[in-house]
Amino acid sequence: GAVVSQHPSWVICKSGTSVKIECRSLDFQATTMFWYRQFPKQSLMLMATSNEGSKATYEQGVEKDKFLINHASLTLSTLTVTSAHPEDSSFYICSAPEGSASRDFSNQPQHFGDGTRLSIL
Amino acid sequence: SQQGEEDPQALSIQEGENATMNCSYKTSINNLQWYRQNSGRGLVHLILIRSNEREKHSGRLRVTLDTSKKSSSLLITASRAADTASYFCATNRGSTLGRLYFGRGTQLTVWP
Repeated sequence: GAVVSQHPSWVICKSGTSVKIECRSLDFQATTMFWYRQFPKQSLMLMATSNEGSKATYEQGVEKDKFLINHASLTLSTLTVTSAHPEDSSFYICSAPEGSASRDFSNQPQHFGDGTRLSIL
Repeated sequence: SQQGEEDPQALSIQEGENATMNCSYKTSINNLQWYRQNSGRGLVHLILIRSNEREKHSGRLRVTLDTSKKSSSLLITASRAADTASYFCATNRGSTLGRLYFGRGTQLTVWP
């Protein structure tokens, strides 16, 4: 089945560091990917929609200069947390809808990466 | 923003028992999906039920959808310790990109 790989799975770094998280679709092309943030024992909060070849669409309240998204190919989207601070510590997850020849993903399940645990000291 | 509400927030049962989780939502939907998340991991898709469907089965899973009440239920029969996880419902409101709105989730614990 469709697989999404997310890397790294765990990052610990000092405050002020920029951290890049990769999300790859391994056996299908993903023109769209989604980036979520999840706090302990809470639900997923959508941060942004990553669009291949164009700018990402950010949700209200998410700083685009803080969370840089690049979707340069049909199989890779990256999220860079710039100048990370302790309040950015969280679990970040990406997802991509299963491929569709019609490019209508409204009835396609999402495939999720395994998440990245980010801890900023 | 969160759209759905699952209840209960936490459910603890013995192996072999059935587990029922409910989900309510507020707007019209294209479909409703259930996902499972093991601790510290990503989400795994379980079932997608379209707005014109009322019930769907997959193995030990049974999902119902009542669009008039804007609610869905997930039933896991003959539960196993390995079913211990968080379960989330998510709705698609018609987004062709596949955007989902997630509920708060139900933490299911199945004791051996």
